[in-house]
Amino acid sequence: DSGVTQTPKHLITATGQRVTLRCSPRSGDLSVYWYQQSLDQGLQFLIQYYNGEERAKGNILERFSAQQFPDLHSELNLSSLELGDSALYFCASSPRTSGSGELFFGEGSRLTVL
Amino acid sequence: DAKTTQPTSMDCAEGRAANLPCNHSTISGNEYVYWYRQIHSQGPQYIIHGLKNNETNEMASLIITEDRKSSTLILPHATLRDTAVYYCIVINNNDMRFGAGTRLTVKP
Repeated sequence: DSGVTQTPKHLITATGQRVTLRCSPRSGDLSVYWYQQSLDQGLQFLIQYYNGEERAKGNILERFSAQQFPDLHSELNLSSLELGDSALYFCASSPRTSGSGELFFGEGSRLTVL
Repeated sequence: DAKTTQPTSMDCAEGRAANLPCNHSTISGNEYVYWYRQIHSQGPQYIIHGLKNNETNEMASLIITEDRKSSTLILPHATLRDTAVYYCIVINNNDMRFGAGTRLTVKP
């Protein structure tokens, strides 16, 4: 158990819909990272937050947005969903803002868009 | 950011050492080498990291060449449960980008 909690574990929805994925980082960790992993693909970095502020942006679509709240939990919002958005979405947390690659990953949220 | 190159796949016999190579020829002086693994569709798991010196922990050993342009992750006695995708990453900032990794299959 990494200490990172992601909900929901599974989610099935239809094209055009909007969903919110939630991540609770390990106690005390200020950084949260979001990744997307499509079937048999590598991990695609989406975005990173540190103590409520966006710190790095990867290949995140404009239809996707994220935020980190004062209690440090984070949410990833996916809108106007397309079939290609079906994937595993991982959240990871880290105690540092940068310079440390030791990330602790959650078990992921599996999104299926029909 | 420095990029890494890893073989797509490798096999290893159970009980033998698994040596997973990684090339990072454009690494700069303050960039660390990190290794993670992902078993099936679980969340990736941190294994080990290093800057210049070789490192060892309860999971693995990391050998970094003197010029730091390549490294090798060593699993000393591979078990079937070590079958996973292993990612080598080079970072010095917030951008944690993973490559395709090496799919290691440990065979009985």
